Amino acid sequence: AQKITQTQPGMFVQEKEAVTLDCTYDTSDPSYGLFWYKQPSSGEMIFLIYQGSYDQQNATEGRYSLNFQKARKSANLVISASQLGDSAMYFCAMGESGNEKLTFGTGTRLTIIP
Amino acid sequence: ETGVTQSPTHLIKTRGQQVTLRCSSQSGHNTVSWYQQALGQGPQFIFQYYREEENGRGNFPPRFSGLQFPNYSSELNVNALELDDSALYLCASSFTGGAFRGPRYEQYFGPGTRLTVT
Repeated sequence: AQKITQTQPGMFVQEKEAVTLDCTYDTSDPSYGLFWYKQPSSGEMIFLIYQGSYDQQNATEGRYSLNFQKARKSANLVISASQLGDSAMYFCAMGESGNEKLTFGTGTRLTIIP
Repeated sequence: ETGVTQSPTHLIKTRGQQVTLRCSSQSGHNTVSWYQQALGQGPQFIFQYYREEENGRGNFPPRFSGLQFPNYSSELNVNALELDDSALYLCASSFTGGAFRGPRYEQYFGPGTRLTVT
């Protein structure tokens, strides 16, 4: 069964610093995708970045990058130059091939300090 | 291009009642998934609809049921509400093309419906 683990319940980071949010996963399927979503207090889940299991390079989307270490089964999110608007819950999620279901972790609450 | 919309935004129901939540998928999307997010938890997959049929179900009892309409919008119905059903219900839409695809599927979420059962 697929499982996502986020071990950081909360993080406080100074504005403009980089931050790394940890995510480890477990699956027996060789084909899978890893996602990061941001959830502000409004509740909407905002898609940030995707990494496929066969992708050779780490995914990047603007200030977001995904540090994918397949052998260690980790998919950490790196946010460069953090901004006050980055304060939110962040969820790591995984989907397996041929299966629409996303399995989410328990999330990390990120607070950016001015 | 319109995003995913959900209605109502908030809802208060009494234990034992029934509720219907609605979701309009993003333009161009044909697949709708429903998730339940309890307070302080990550979303849990309830089920998914593709071509008006259920396509996968999570660990939820049969009193959670759904529909998908020809325009790809969807409903989530919950019968015999229990206190533990209080949660944020999220709808996500995506596009499925041809045979079931690989794992790249960006699911776009709506703002959610917050259900309170008293």
